[in-house]
Amino acid sequence: NAGVTQTPKFRILKIGQSMTLQCTQDMNHNYMYWYRQDPGMGLKLIYYSVGAGITDKGEVPNGYNVSRSTTEDFPLRLELAAPSQTSVYFCASTASGNTIYFGEGSWLTVV
Amino acid sequence: DQQVKQNSPSLSVQEGRISILNCDYTNSMFDYFLWYKKYPAEGPTFLISISSIKDKNEDGRFTVFLNKSAKHLSLHIVPSQPGDSAVYFCAASAHRFGNEKLTFGTGTRLTIIP
Repeated sequence: NAGVTQTPKFRILKIGQSMTLQCTQDMNHNYMYWYRQDPGMGLKLIYYSVGAGITDKGEVPNGYNVSRSTTEDFPLRLELAAPSQTSVYFCASTASGNTIYFGEGSWLTVV
Repeated sequence: DQQVKQNSPSLSVQEGRISILNCDYTNSMFDYFLWYKKYPAEGPTFLISISSIKDKNEDGRFTVFLNKSAKHLSLHIVPSQPGDSAVYFCAASAHRFGNEKLTFGTGTRLTIIP
């Protein structure tokens, strides 16, 4: 069972560079999420999607973009990376009303 | 505005004793509560949940208690084992309103002392 798969696991970016964090799930879940976790903090919701073609902002969307062209994939795009985006990023998914399952995380450092 | 609060950043408990982790919330729309466990360099994994129509849910060594009037929930682990050492996050959602988004607390690091 692959579950929720995120790539890359680690990445170092220079200020101003762009990159995409990939997320895919094989559970046919409608709902997908991107969270970030800063040291000593809880998880903050960046963007979420309730189905293919539908996305919405979470608590901390600035500096990020997402798309949901298929049920399986929910990539997170960072444009013009800033040091404040240094964090651990978690993708997650759920079928409506069920437990949310998380990926293993992507560690991003912006220098 | 922190809607879900875990006021104890860390907790140490002797192996075999009870671990009690606490969580408070402020949003009265929250009706579904979950506990997640997180090991270093891994994603959070679901532990146990409770709906607001209940005041207790039990799963093996883990029990979650919900006090709606106090907007407080707690996770009890009995007996505590070394493998329980991890960071525990409390999370909440306004489930019945079709809102599947989770709001997380800041976590409590539990250390079980052998």
